[in-house]
This record gives sequence, structure tokens and C-alpha cells, in this order.
Amino acid sequence: EDQVTQSPEALRLQEGESSSLNCSYTVSGLRGLFWYRQDPGKGPEFLFTLYSAGEEKEKERLKATLTKKESFLHITAPKPEDSATYLCAVQAVDDYKLSFGAGTTVTVRA
Amino acid sequence: SAVISQKPSRDICQRGTSLTIQCQVDSQVTMMFWYRQQPGQSLTLIATANQGSEATYESGFVIDKFPISRPNLTFSTLTVSNMSPEDSSIYLCSVEGGSGEPYNEQFFGPGTRLTVL
Repeated sequence: EDQVTQSPEALRLQEGESSSLNCSYTVSGLRGLFWYRQDPGKGPEFLFTLYSAGEEKEKERLKATLTKKESFLHITAPKPEDSATYLCAVQAVDDYKLSFGAGTTVTVRA
Repeated sequence: SAVISQKPSRDICQRGTSLTIQCQVDSQVTMMFWYRQQPGQSLTLIATANQGSEATYESGFVIDKFPISRPNLTFSTLTVSNMSPEDSSIYLCSVEGGSGEPYNEQFFGPGTRLTVL
């Protein structure tokens, strides 16, 4: 069974204080690893899909990286509008469903 | 990216009743998914709905409790039947988009927040 573990559960940052979120996973064969942002009361917003170890993708202040066992979401010089819950999910090669982690709630203080 | 809308956005229902949630996509998609997000928890897949075939349910979810329709390539409904307070959750539909392998993206609707009293 696919498993996704995210850490930390919560992260409080000062504006401009860079940090990283971790997503550890086990899957029979990885089709893709997904990162989403979710604001309270809203559906998840797609950020990235990573497919193979060594791959990196960037979007504004966010950068996602992937190894064979984990993924990191780096937040560089965060702003208060980056406050959200960040969800990680994996998709196996023989399936289309996403298996989600519990998420990391990021709060950025001005 | 696909634009997905859901109706209703929220509802408060009495136990024992049923609620049907609608999901509309602005483009034709093969696969649609229904997820549940219980309070304070992450997303769990309920079922996969393909047009022209029966929905495929995940372990722990059954058709009698969560019947799904998929009449065409842009629309699906999920019914939560004989509701109890434990069904209070956010229900989300999602679709797979992108321009083919390996460009795989899944997009989510805004969700339906259900409270069962």
C-alpha cells in the first residue's frame, strides 16, 4: 500500500525566513509525485508534478525536488500570502488515484 | 488547466436524508475522481468515475452509500445516502488533465462542505 508522510505538521515562519517541507513516500512504482496548496475552505490548488529522482520544478518562491524516497518543497523568502496547507501525494504506475499525506500547515508572519 | 465547479458549495442536512453533489468541468475529460476530506484530515479517494462504465470504489466505500453517475465527459454526481454525522466532510471532485504522459496533472474543484446534524 502506498504511504506518504509529511513533516513537520505545522511550520511557523517569519516573513523572509526560508525553510523546507518534507514528503517521504513508499510506492510500488512511482508514476508521479504531486504538490498542492490548500487554503482554508477551498479545494487543493495544483502546484507541481515530479516524475523522476533528480527532477526539480520552480514556481515563484516555491521549489520542489525529488529523490527516490522523498520530496522537498523549499519556500524561499516567504510572504504572508504563502500561508496555507501544503499537501503531497503520490501516484503509482498502475493506478490513477492519488494517495495523500496529512499536509504541512505553513503560517508566515509579517 | 481544467476549470471545475461544484454544487452546492455547502449544505446542512438532517441525518437519514441524502444529498446529491454535482461536478461540472469546462472540458471533456476521461477520468473523474471523488474524494472526501474529513475535518482536520487529508484527502481520501472514494471512487473513480469513467463515462460509460460503472464507478470503481475504493476499499471502505460502497455504491449503496455513495452512488455515482457519469452521464457524459463533462459532468458527474455523487450522492451521499442515508447520512449520519460521520459523513460530515468536504467532498471534492477532481479530473486528470495535461497533454498526455508524462504531463500528468490532477485538478480539484472547490469542494462541497457537508454538515450532517
